[in-house]
Formats: sequence, C-alpha cells, structure tokens
Amino acid sequence: DVKVTQSSRYLVKRTGEKVFLECVQDMDHENMFWYRQDPGLGLRLIYFSYDVKMKEKGDIPEGYSVSREKKERFSLILESASTNQTSMYLCASSLLGASSYGYTFGSGTRLTVV
Amino acid sequence: AQSVSQHNHHVILSEAASLELGCNYSYGGTVNLFWYVQYPGQHLQLLLKYFSGDPLVKGIKGFEAEFIKSKFSFNLRKPSVQWSDTAEYFCAVNGDNYGQNFVFGPGTRLSVLP
Repeated sequence: DVKVTQSSRYLVKRTGEKVFLECVQDMDHENMFWYRQDPGLGLRLIYFSYDVKMKEKGDIPEGYSVSREKKERFSLILESASTNQTSMYLCASSLLGASSYGYTFGSGTRLTVV
Repeated sequence: AQSVSQHNHHVILSEAASLELGCNYSYGGTVNLFWYVQYPGQHLQLLLKYFSGDPLVKGIKGFEAEFIKSKFSFNLRKPSVQWSDTAEYFCAVNGDNYGQNFVFGPGTRLSVLP
C-alpha cells in the first residue's frame, strides 16, 4: 500500500512563528501536493511539485512556500503563521499521469494558530 | 477556471435509504472525474473514478456514479446506505487544461442514522 505520512497530526503554533509541515511518501511518486481543507470550501491547492526541486503555485499560495529536496519529501512552510492559516492541511502524492490514477492522501495535520 | 459544485452541504438519511449526491463541474473539455470519501478521523480515500468508456462506473462498498456529459454532472449513488457510510464525500475533476491537478468540490457530509 502506498503510504503518505504527515509528521504531525495536531499542531498548535503562535502568530508570527515559522511553521514546517512535513510529508513523506514511500512509493516513488513523482507528484506531490499540499492542500488545505476548510469546512464548506473543500480542498484548495496551495502548492504542487512534479519533480525534485520543482514547485508550482496552486490556487492559494499566499503566505506559504514549499521545499522538495528529495523525491519522497515535500515540505510546506508557513513563513509567518497567522490565525487565518488555522486549518487542516493535507498532503497527497501520485504517479505521473495522476489523472488516471487519482491521488493518495496523508491523514492530515490540523494546525491551530493562536 | 474550473469549478466543482456539490448540491448538498449535509444529507441525513436513515439506514437502508437510497442515496444520491450531486456533483456538477464547469469545464467543457475532456475531464476525468473522481469521488473521494473521508470517514471520521481518517484520510481521504478514492471511492471511484471515471476517465473513459462506460459512463456508469462502480466503486468500492456498493457505490456507483454516472457521468452525464451533457449535464456536466457526475452524481454518486448507493441503493441502500449503512451507518458505516457516515462520512464526508468529495467530488473532484481533472480537466485536460489543468495538468495533473484536481479541482475539488466543497464536500457533502452524510449522516446515516441507525
């Protein structure tokens, strides 16, 4: 089974802190994605990467950055956390050609910024 | 830009009732369509997918969905729900103008009463 592992299930951070959310997948997938999930809004794409050291902005990249130094790891960085970034963050991965296979998701990190 | 709408925010059914969850998308080109389910406290899992061929697709746990191109719809159905179907359901679309990224709907929460 493909596994997508997110380092923390719950996280509480203070406003202004730099926050790192880590995601690791173990099936050699090329594509990795970061979404945030909010009630009534569904999943919104923050950043994605199709290859090592490659990154592209999604629909809501403001206030976030990412890093992909190794194929299996995709990190989401909140440069200066704010209360409106309180959310559930989901990491996903897929093979190249994801449109036929779909994504595999991690369990999510629920981030609270106080 | 693509968008996905789901007709109901919250659906409440009794066990053995029939289920239909609506999903409509806005893109007029070629699409691949997915339904994901998120059980309480768990990660998103793929229920079923459509990318070509028979517009009626069957997924896991007795779910099926029908792609009606003329209506830009991909509704999810189950003839008889169980308490264990209580979850949040997300429709997702990948259009041929959107690379390997998906657009997700806002989700429908299903509560099945025993």
